[in-house]
Amino acid sequence: DTGVSQNPRHKITKRGQNVTFRCDPISEHNRLYWYRQTLGQGPEFLTYFQNEAQLEKSRLLSDRFSAERPKGSFSTLEIQRTEQGDSAMYLCASSPSGGLADYNEQFFGPGTRLTVL
Amino acid sequence: AQKVTQAQTEISVVEKEDVTLDCVYETRDTTYYLFWYKQPPSGELVFLIRRNSFDEQNEISGRYSWNFQKSTSSFNFTITASQVVDSAVYFCALTNRKLIWGLGTSLAVNP
Repeated sequence: DTGVSQNPRHKITKRGQNVTFRCDPISEHNRLYWYRQTLGQGPEFLTYFQNEAQLEKSRLLSDRFSAERPKGSFSTLEIQRTEQGDSAMYLCASSPSGGLADYNEQFFGPGTRLTVL
Repeated sequence: AQKVTQAQTEISVVEKEDVTLDCVYETRDTTYYLFWYKQPPSGELVFLIRRNSFDEQNEISGRYSWNFQKSTSSFNFTITASQVVDSAVYFCALTNRKLIWGLGTSLAVNP
């Protein structure tokens, strides 16, 4: 296991369709984060998990967005009824929960680029 | 509220020049960590350094050095003798559970 992986790398969809992204964290990492990044901006926090528990969700995460981490390993992020404003890079990161877990460095995957037509 | 400001949007230098990327942060927390990440054209964010709020010692790693000054709430990043491969967007971030990011500084190192 060499790093965080995300699938698919690119997704093009039509407005109104549902999409689902997958993230596989580094195997020994208990924390998993989702961020969204648009062009020319820094990443924006969406949500994070400690094992299977979703501990925090951003106000950016509307009711069309849902994230799961059913067995505390991989995670999925689903967007229902996509809108053109959802077009962005969706980034997943993981970090170990040992030590000061809230402050550990996060390791990022390559991202999933979503384009909503 | 927590906030990270990277005032330099774009910097362009010629190879072998030294370059400093500025980062100013705001937080009311007494315990916090600061980070720098690099995002090359390939898009994947690469962790560079983590610094906690109680450690104001400067750090050097090869051509990279970081200057943390709590008095001015700054955590600046210097690349010495820049190389073309340093061309990327560099982000400064602040954390308390989740990362709060600056808008990034796009560095172009020209041959």
